[in-house]
Amino acid sequence: AQTVTQSQPEMSVQEAETVTLSCTYDTSENNYYLFWYKQPPSRQMILVIRQEAYKQQNATENRFSVNFQKAAKSFSLKISDSQLGDTAMYFCALMNRDDKIIFGKGTRLHILP
Amino acid sequence: EADIYQTPRYLVIGTGKKITLECSQTMGHDKMYWYQQDPGMELHLIHYSYGVNSTEKGDLSSESTVSRIRTEHFPLTLESARPSHTSQYLCASSPLTGDSNQPQHFGDGTRLSIL
Repeated sequence: AQTVTQSQPEMSVQEAETVTLSCTYDTSENNYYLFWYKQPPSRQMILVIRQEAYKQQNATENRFSVNFQKAAKSFSLKISDSQLGDTAMYFCALMNRDDKIIFGKGTRLHILP
Repeated sequence: EADIYQTPRYLVIGTGKKITLECSQTMGHDKMYWYQQDPGMELHLIHYSYGVNSTEKGDLSSESTVSRIRTEHFPLTLESARPSHTSQYLCASSPLTGDSNQPQHFGDGTRLSIL
């Protein structure tokens, strides 16, 4: 069975600080894809960053980067220089070749002014 | 900006009513999905489709039904709404390509409240 676990239900950090959101997963597949989605309050879910499991290099998108540890099945998201607009629910997600995505329970992130 | 549209955005309706939640996308995506999400909780896949005339049930059992008569349109129907159906319903789509590394694009969601 595939699972995605986000162990931090809620986090708060001061603006401009760096924050890391944790995610672990389990799958029997060797080829899969990992995503972080952001869901701001009452707004659309959007993709933040993606990682192909066969790539060793960690994905980076501006202030967002991941620490992908395939052996440990860990996929954490680091947000640098956090901004008020980063306040949102963040979902870690796993997709295998069947193209169905499994989401974690989410981490509610508050950026404090 | 959203290329996937859900209507209505909010719906409050009485028990026993028939409800259809609309979802349309203008990106030509073959794959479409419906998720159910309770406030502050994870998403649960309830239906998906790989193209016209294709519909499958997701991981979470749902009393709703879907249809896919046109590529761009994937409506979800509840024949007789109950308070237990109160939730947010998110529609998503992604292209059907040989590369599965295609993220899903989400609509704004429909917040459904059954009284």
